[in-house]
Amino acid sequence: ETGVTQTPRHLVMGMTNKKSLKCEQHLGHNAMYWYKQSAKKPLELMFVYNFKEQTENNSVPSRFSPECPNSSHLFLHLHTLQPEDSALYLCASSQDRGNQPQHFGDGTRLSIL
Amino acid sequence: KQEVTQIPAALSVPEGENLVLNCSFTDSAIYNLQWFRQDPGKGLTSLLLIQSSQREQTSGRLNASLDKSSGRSTLYIAASQPGDSATYLCAVAGSARQLTFGSGTQLTVLP
Repeated sequence: ETGVTQTPRHLVMGMTNKKSLKCEQHLGHNAMYWYKQSAKKPLELMFVYNFKEQTENNSVPSRFSPECPNSSHLFLHLHTLQPEDSALYLCASSQDRGNQPQHFGDGTRLSIL
Repeated sequence: KQEVTQIPAALSVPEGENLVLNCSFTDSAIYNLQWFRQDPGKGLTSLLLIQSSQREQTSGRLNASLDKSSGRSTLYIAASQPGDSATYLCAVAGSARQLTFGSGTQLTVLP
């Protein structure tokens, strides 16, 4: 029981499809994050939201579109993805008052055909 | 740009051994340093968080140290058990929200 729930756990999609990843946190945190974990590479921060406002966008291609309707929910909308986008996408949350650890979900394993 | 390196990339030890995992970072202006554990097919579990003003943190059989001036941290695991087998990740916070991760050390503890 992580307190951060991601759905779906696995997703296979074609390059022309549109899909969305969902993240929900039950910890009362006010900051949420999307990370990408590719094979043999360190985790890469993609987006940060604080109180529903996007505060970081680490040069992520526009085919990834985040949405944060409230402090408990975070979405990652996907369209026209490339094979190199196949990875584990991890969501995390934290209490944004400094020196608080981030809590991670179990991720969505995304495969692009 | 902050870079985080973890050595070794993989480690295999017999049960009961004490072991040390290493993490180094290039920019000493950090907010905090965190150690995580990741099991196969799972997300990350936070193990220890060391604030920039601290030298070490302990939790059970785990002890993490931080030497900011030399850009190094170590994670010490005492009396290792097969259940400790996982990938251990070091992450450095350049701000309250920006974490830079190392590539991890894959630990196998043999029964």
